[in-house]
Amino acid sequence: NAGVTQTPKFQVLKTGQSMTLQCAQDMNHNSMYWYRQDPGMGLRLIYYSASEGTTDKGEVPNGYNVSRLNKREFSLRLESAAPSQTSVYFCASSRRGQNTEAFFGQGTRLTVV
Amino acid sequence: GDSVTQMEGPVTLSEEAFLTINCTYTATGYPSLFWYVQYPGEGLQLLLKATKADDKGSNKGFEATYRKETTSFHLEKGSVQVSDSAVYFCALSPWGGGADGLTFGKGTHLIIQP
Repeated sequence: NAGVTQTPKFQVLKTGQSMTLQCAQDMNHNSMYWYRQDPGMGLRLIYYSASEGTTDKGEVPNGYNVSRLNKREFSLRLESAAPSQTSVYFCASSRRGQNTEAFFGQGTRLTVV
Repeated sequence: GDSVTQMEGPVTLSEEAFLTINCTYTATGYPSLFWYVQYPGEGLQLLLKATKADDKGSNKGFEATYRKETTSFHLEKGSVQVSDSAVYFCALSPWGGGADGLTFGKGTHLIIQP
Protein backbone atom coordinates (compact mmCIF):
# COMPACT_ATOMS: atom_id res chain seq x y z
CA ASN A 1 0.00 0.00 0.00
CA ALA A 2 2.04 2.96 -1.31
CA GLY A 3 -0.08 5.88 0.01
CA VAL A 4 1.43 9.16 -1.22
CA THR A 5 4.52 8.93 -3.40
CA GLN A 6 6.72 11.92 -4.20
CA THR A 7 9.60 12.17 -6.62
CA PRO A 8 12.40 13.06 -6.52
CA LYS A 9 13.59 12.75 -2.90
CA PHE A 10 16.50 15.16 -3.36
CA GLN A 11 17.26 17.81 -5.96
CA VAL A 12 19.82 20.55 -6.44
CA LEU A 13 19.00 23.33 -8.90
CA LYS A 14 20.83 26.37 -10.10
CA THR A 15 19.09 29.73 -9.83
CA GLY A 16 16.80 30.20 -12.79
CA GLN A 17 16.39 26.52 -13.61
CA SER A 18 12.96 24.93 -13.70
CA MET A 19 11.72 21.64 -12.38
CA THR A 20 8.55 19.73 -11.58
CA LEU A 21 7.92 17.82 -8.38
CA GLN A 22 5.65 14.84 -8.88
CA CYS A 23 3.10 13.48 -6.45
CA ALA A 24 0.70 10.55 -6.73
CA GLN A 25 -1.71 8.95 -4.28
CA ASP A 26 -3.44 5.61 -4.48
CA MET A 27 -6.13 6.16 -1.83
CA ASN A 28 -8.78 7.62 -4.15
CA HIS A 29 -8.68 10.91 -2.27
CA ASN A 30 -10.36 13.97 -3.71
CA SER A 31 -8.12 16.57 -2.07
CA MET A 32 -4.40 17.05 -2.56
CA TYR A 33 -1.97 19.63 -1.18
CA TRP A 34 1.54 20.96 -1.55
CA TYR A 35 3.37 22.32 1.52
CA ARG A 36 6.82 23.64 2.15
CA GLN A 37 8.61 23.19 5.47
CA ASP A 38 11.24 25.65 6.63
CA PRO A 39 13.00 25.90 10.01
CA GLY A 40 10.93 27.88 12.48
CA MET A 41 8.07 28.30 10.00
CA GLY A 42 6.29 24.99 10.32
CA LEU A 43 4.31 23.82 7.31
CA ARG A 44 3.02 26.41 4.88
CA LEU A 45 0.44 25.60 2.24
CA ILE A 46 1.53 26.46 -1.30
CA TYR A 47 -1.40 25.23 -3.40
CA TYR A 48 -4.23 22.79 -2.98
CA SER A 49 -6.72 20.96 -5.13
CA ALA A 50 -10.09 20.15 -3.63
CA SER A 51 -11.06 17.94 -6.53
CA GLU A 52 -9.89 16.84 -9.94
CA GLY A 53 -9.85 19.83 -12.28
CA THR A 54 -9.61 22.52 -9.59
CA THR A 55 -6.63 24.20 -7.96
CA ASP A 56 -6.36 27.11 -5.52
CA LYS A 57 -3.65 29.21 -3.97
CA GLY A 58 -2.57 28.65 -0.43
CA GLU A 59 -0.52 30.83 1.88
CA VAL A 60 2.68 31.06 -0.21
CA PRO A 61 1.92 30.48 -3.92
CA ASN A 62 4.32 32.97 -5.52
CA GLY A 63 6.91 31.36 -7.77
CA TYR A 64 4.99 28.09 -8.11
CA ASN A 65 2.43 26.54 -10.40
CA VAL A 66 0.47 23.32 -10.03
CA SER A 67 -1.38 20.86 -12.19
CA ARG A 68 -3.98 18.35 -11.05
CA LEU A 69 -3.37 15.92 -13.87
CA ASN A 70 -6.05 13.47 -12.76
CA LYS A 71 -7.48 12.27 -9.47
CA ARG A 72 -4.23 10.52 -8.53
CA GLU A 73 -1.59 13.05 -9.52
CA PHE A 74 -0.80 16.60 -8.43
CA SER A 75 2.44 18.20 -9.61
CA LEU A 76 4.26 21.32 -8.43
CA ARG A 77 6.36 23.33 -10.87
CA LEU A 78 9.06 25.89 -10.20
CA GLU A 79 9.45 27.89 -13.41
CA SER A 80 12.55 29.85 -12.40
CA ALA A 81 14.03 28.61 -9.16
CA ALA A 82 15.33 31.07 -6.57
CA PRO A 83 17.47 30.45 -3.46
CA SER A 84 14.42 31.42 -1.34
CA GLN A 85 12.74 28.26 -2.63
CA THR A 86 15.30 26.06 -0.91
CA SER A 87 13.08 23.98 1.34
CA VAL A 88 11.57 20.59 1.99
CA TYR A 89 8.39 20.06 0.00
CA PHE A 90 5.60 17.75 1.07
CA CYS A 91 2.63 16.51 -0.88
CA ALA A 92 -0.43 15.33 1.03
CA SER A 93 -3.89 14.00 0.27
CA SER A 94 -7.14 13.55 2.14
CA ARG A 95 -10.77 12.67 1.75
CA ARG A 96 -13.12 15.61 1.66
CA GLY A 97 -14.88 16.76 4.81
CA GLN A 98 -14.32 17.13 8.53
CA ASN A 99 -12.64 14.54 10.74
CA THR A 100 -10.41 13.46 7.90
CA GLU A 101 -6.69 13.34 8.40
CA ALA A 102 -4.15 14.11 5.72
CA PHE A 103 -1.63 11.54 4.49
CA PHE A 104 1.84 12.79 3.62
CA GLY A 105 4.55 11.79 1.22
CA GLN A 106 8.18 11.39 2.28
CA GLY A 107 9.17 14.83 1.07
CA THR A 108 11.51 16.36 -1.49
CA ARG A 109 14.56 18.19 -0.22
CA LEU A 110 15.28 20.95 -2.74
CA THR A 111 18.37 23.14 -2.71
CA VAL A 112 18.66 26.11 -5.05
CA VAL A 113 22.18 27.46 -5.42
CA GLY B 1 -9.14 32.63 10.66
CA ASP B 2 -8.28 29.37 12.34
CA SER B 3 -4.94 29.01 14.07
CA VAL B 4 -2.95 26.56 16.18
CA THR B 5 -0.34 27.56 18.76
CA GLN B 6 2.16 25.15 20.24
CA MET B 7 5.41 25.40 22.14
CA GLU B 8 8.25 25.28 19.63
CA GLY B 9 11.14 24.00 21.67
CA PRO B 10 13.42 22.27 21.35
CA VAL B 11 12.17 20.34 24.34
CA THR B 12 14.89 18.17 25.86
CA LEU B 13 14.02 15.41 28.32
CA SER B 14 15.70 12.40 29.82
CA GLU B 15 14.49 8.91 29.00
CA GLU B 16 11.50 7.82 31.14
CA ALA B 17 10.50 11.43 31.89
CA PHE B 18 6.91 12.62 31.64
CA LEU B 19 6.10 14.58 28.50
CA THR B 20 3.63 17.39 27.92
CA ILE B 21 3.51 19.41 24.72
CA ASN B 22 0.96 22.19 24.88
CA CYS B 23 -1.37 22.99 22.01
CA THR B 24 -4.15 25.57 21.91
CA TYR B 25 -6.34 26.52 19.00
CA THR B 26 -8.60 29.25 17.70
CA ALA B 27 -11.49 28.14 15.51
CA THR B 28 -15.24 28.52 15.19
CA GLY B 29 -17.58 25.69 16.03
CA TYR B 30 -16.23 22.22 16.62
CA PRO B 31 -13.06 21.48 14.71
CA SER B 32 -11.36 18.09 14.66
CA LEU B 33 -7.93 17.97 16.27
CA PHE B 34 -4.83 15.98 15.37
CA TRP B 35 -1.28 15.31 16.46
CA TYR B 36 1.23 14.38 13.79
CA VAL B 37 4.79 13.14 14.29
CA GLN B 38 7.74 13.63 11.94
CA TYR B 39 10.81 11.44 12.44
CA PRO B 40 14.11 12.67 10.99
CA GLY B 41 14.16 12.59 7.20
CA GLU B 42 10.56 11.43 6.92
CA GLY B 43 7.12 12.83 6.19
CA LEU B 44 4.42 13.52 8.75
CA GLN B 45 2.47 10.60 10.19
CA LEU B 46 -0.78 10.80 12.09
CA LEU B 47 -0.18 10.02 15.76
CA LEU B 48 -3.69 10.49 17.16
CA LYS B 49 -6.86 12.45 16.70
CA ALA B 50 -10.07 13.56 18.45
CA THR B 51 -13.20 14.65 16.67
CA LYS B 52 -15.42 16.04 19.43
CA ALA B 53 -15.18 17.68 22.82
CA ASP B 54 -13.92 15.47 25.67
CA ASP B 55 -12.72 12.80 23.24
CA LYS B 56 -9.33 11.31 24.10
CA GLY B 57 -7.06 10.22 21.29
CA SER B 58 -4.33 7.71 22.09
CA ASN B 59 -1.61 5.81 20.28
CA LYS B 60 1.83 4.37 21.13
CA GLY B 61 1.52 5.53 24.76
CA PHE B 62 0.69 9.12 23.75
CA GLU B 63 -2.63 10.70 24.74
CA ALA B 64 -4.43 13.99 24.14
CA THR B 65 -7.86 15.14 25.28
CA TYR B 66 -10.01 17.58 23.32
CA ARG B 67 -10.87 20.37 25.79
CA LYS B 68 -13.43 22.69 24.30
CA GLU B 69 -13.60 24.93 27.38
CA THR B 70 -9.88 25.74 27.22
CA THR B 71 -9.54 25.26 23.43
CA SER B 72 -6.63 22.91 24.06
CA PHE B 73 -5.32 19.53 22.90
CA HIS B 74 -2.15 18.91 24.92
CA LEU B 75 -0.04 15.86 24.06
CA GLU B 76 1.17 13.68 26.97
CA LYS B 77 3.20 10.55 27.47
CA GLY B 78 4.02 9.01 30.80
CA SER B 79 7.51 7.69 30.03
CA VAL B 80 9.36 8.82 26.92
CA GLN B 81 11.98 6.82 25.04
CA VAL B 82 14.91 7.87 22.88
CA SER B 83 12.90 6.63 19.90
CA ASP B 84 10.27 9.33 20.60
CA SER B 85 12.73 12.01 19.48
CA ALA B 86 10.96 13.75 16.60
CA VAL B 87 9.04 16.88 15.65
CA TYR B 88 5.41 16.93 16.78
CA PHE B 89 2.73 18.99 15.04
CA CYS B 90 -0.68 19.90 16.39
CA ALA B 91 -3.32 20.49 13.70
CA LEU B 92 -7.03 21.14 13.25
CA SER B 93 -9.61 20.49 10.58
CA PRO B 94 -12.29 23.18 10.53
CA TRP B 95 -15.85 22.52 11.55
CA GLY B 96 -17.60 21.16 8.49
CA GLY B 97 -14.30 20.52 6.77
CA GLY B 98 -12.20 23.00 4.88
CA ALA B 99 -11.19 22.89 1.23
CA ASP B 100 -7.65 23.97 2.07
CA GLY B 101 -7.08 21.13 4.50
CA LEU B 102 -5.55 21.17 7.95
CA THR B 103 -4.20 24.15 9.87
CA PHE B 104 -0.88 23.26 11.51
CA GLY B 105 1.06 24.61 14.43
CA LYS B 106 4.75 25.33 13.86
CA GLY B 107 5.90 22.06 15.38
CA THR B 108 7.72 21.11 18.59
CA HIS B 109 11.14 19.50 18.33
CA LEU B 110 11.47 16.85 21.05
CA ILE B 111 14.87 15.47 22.02
CA ILE B 112 15.09 12.52 24.40
CA GLN B 113 18.48 11.88 25.96
CA PRO B 114 19.45 8.41 27.24
